[in-house]
Amino acid sequence: GAGVSQSPSNKVTEKGKDVELRCDPISGHTALYWYRQSLGQGLEFLIYFQGNSAPDKSGLPSDRFSAERTGGSVSTLTIQRTQQEDSAVYLCASSFSYSRGQETQYFGPGTRLLVL
Amino acid sequence: ELKVEQNPLFLSMQEGKNYTIYCNYSTTSDRLYWYRQDPGKSLESLFVLLSNGAVKQEGRLMASLDTKARLSTLHITAAVHDLSATYFCAVDEYGNKLVFGAGTILRVKS
Repeated sequence: GAGVSQSPSNKVTEKGKDVELRCDPISGHTALYWYRQSLGQGLEFLIYFQGNSAPDKSGLPSDRFSAERTGGSVSTLTIQRTQQEDSAVYLCASSFSYSRGQETQYFGPGTRLLVL
Repeated sequence: ELKVEQNPLFLSMQEGKNYTIYCNYSTTSDRLYWYRQDPGKSLESLFVLLSNGAVKQEGRLMASLDTKARLSTLHITAAVHDLSATYFCAVDEYGNKLVFGAGTILRVKS
């Protein structure tokens, strides 16, 4: 079946612009996660959605970052007033749930963001 | 705050040799994952370890978990070139929020 998809695959933007990154999870997966991967910081958790519960936003680095998940499926990560330090690969993952045996997170191909 | 340390960070191996990658973590958790990442690609799930003493094997890779020692190992047997990649361990801090190690870059030389 189809895996996690993300768009765009690459995004180049100018400092100060807003960007939106999209994630389509695996069908039937109730949990969705955003991470970012950068040379300096490695892989970092950003935000987690589980079903209709309030998202866990504890990893968002600043209030310029926000995310929403519509209809329990597609998610959009928005970065406002981008800065050069936002340059990274943004990875989305999904899992069936948090229950034992269903918690493996499957990752999408990522969006490479470059802020000039 | 959970910290996850992997070592070595870089490993150059000859084909046919055995080696082990170590993953230490700082606070209690009973869920540990191993992922593989090829250059320019995303993360591929290798193993999920859910209990103390868990051992899983797939091909030339075997992973184990000791929750009391807060240690997981990824053992490579008779390495082949196709295993060249970056390997990450990740520990579930809470609620399926994963904290990743820095990754081990593995290069298998012919």
